[in-house]
Amino acid sequence: DTEVTQTPKHLVMGMTNKKSLKCEQHMGHRAMYWYKQKAKKPPELMFVYSYEKLSINESVPSRFSPECPNSSLLNLHLHALQPEDSALYLCASSQESRAAYEQYFGPGTRLTVT
Amino acid sequence: AQSVTQPDIHITVSEGASLELRCNYSYGATPYLFWYVQSPGQGLQLLLKYFSGDTLVQGIKGFEAEFKRSQSSFNLRKPSVHWSDAAEYFCAVGGSSNTGKLIFGQGTTLQVKP
Repeated sequence: DTEVTQTPKHLVMGMTNKKSLKCEQHMGHRAMYWYKQKAKKPPELMFVYSYEKLSINESVPSRFSPECPNSSLLNLHLHALQPEDSALYLCASSQESRAAYEQYFGPGTRLTVT
Repeated sequence: AQSVTQPDIHITVSEGASLELRCNYSYGATPYLFWYVQSPGQGLQLLLKYFSGDTLVQGIKGFEAEFKRSQSSFNLRKPSVHWSDAAEYFCAVGGSSNTGKLIFGQGTTLQVKP
């Protein structure tokens, strides 16, 4: 099973709200990723977790806070977002965080910030 | 610098016709190459990958791609397109071997005419 699940599917939040996105995989993968994707653009890497430790932060604003509670779960905590943060947020996982291992993507969470 | 170029932003083909989507990469070492497909509002699905060995790789849904080192290309082909193939296609190269970071092309939108 090569499935990555994400909840919620859609999220609308105000600029003062706090919300969280959740991602889960049961493939035994040890690397997990958060991407942000704007319409008609490729995904942009935000964070990489390797063996439950944050290994890459692509200079993401602190209003985005990732968390990896265990090897199967990845959260993205959102606080004080801006309208320009509205996008599709994709989670992915791979066996390890190396180029030789393909990434499997979840269906995404469509986030709208009002 | 590592980069991926997809020269065609938008391609329209008739159902049943053959398809070729172009991808050129710039990478100093042996590249790890991927093609992903994204239907509207969905996550990315891996079509195929090239790591080494046979330069013609077969993927899912009847797609294949050919790696040509001399041309720094990894073009995606399908002999007969179905209406359900209409989607966004992304070529990607695995970046630094120890980070798992993917470098994506800008994508090609495929439209299929009945």
